[in-house]
Amino acid sequence: DVKVTQSSRYLVKRTGEKVFLECVQDMDHENMFWYRQDPGLGLRLIYFSYDVKMKEKGDIPEGYSVSREKKERFSLILESASTNQTSMYLCASHDQGTGSYEQYFGPGTRLTVT
Amino acid sequence: AQSVTQLGSHVSVSEGALVLLRCNYSSSVPPYLFWYVQYPNQGLQLLLKYTSAATLVKGINGFEAEFKKSETSFHLTKPSAHMSDAAEYFCAVSVRDSSYKLIFGSGTRLLVRP
Repeated sequence: DVKVTQSSRYLVKRTGEKVFLECVQDMDHENMFWYRQDPGLGLRLIYFSYDVKMKEKGDIPEGYSVSREKKERFSLILESASTNQTSMYLCASHDQGTGSYEQYFGPGTRLTVT
Repeated sequence: AQSVTQLGSHVSVSEGALVLLRCNYSSSVPPYLFWYVQYPNQGLQLLLKYTSAATLVKGINGFEAEFKKSETSFHLTKPSAHMSDAAEYFCAVSVRDSSYKLIFGSGTRLLVRP
């Protein structure tokens, strides 16, 4: 089974702090994604990566950056956390070799910025 | 551009009743379509997917969905609801380019009454 893990289930940070959210997948998938989930808005794509050191902006990249130094790890960085970044953050991975578009999700990190 | 509309942010059914969750999509190319389920405090789990084979797709936990091109719909059904089906359900459409992105609907929360 594909396993996607996220470093924290719950996180509380103060406004202005630099925040790192880590995601690791164990299936050698090429593509990885970061979403944020808010009530009534579904999942919105923040950034994605299709290879090591490669990244592309999603629909809502403002206030975020990402890092992918190793194939299995994709980090989301909030340079200066703000209260409007309080949300559920979901990481997903995808196996480009299958031709399927199915994504595998981690359990999520619920971030609260106070 | 692709988009997904889920009608009804909340659906309530009695245990044993039919479950019907609605999803309409817009896509300029033949779509791949997905239904994901999210149980409380968990990530998303794939229920089923349509990838241009049979139009009636069967998934896990007794769910199925029918792709209707003429109606641009991919509604999710289950003949008899169980208490354990209470969750949030997301419909998604593939972008069908090299990014392998998915576009998600806003979600429907299913409540099952005893």
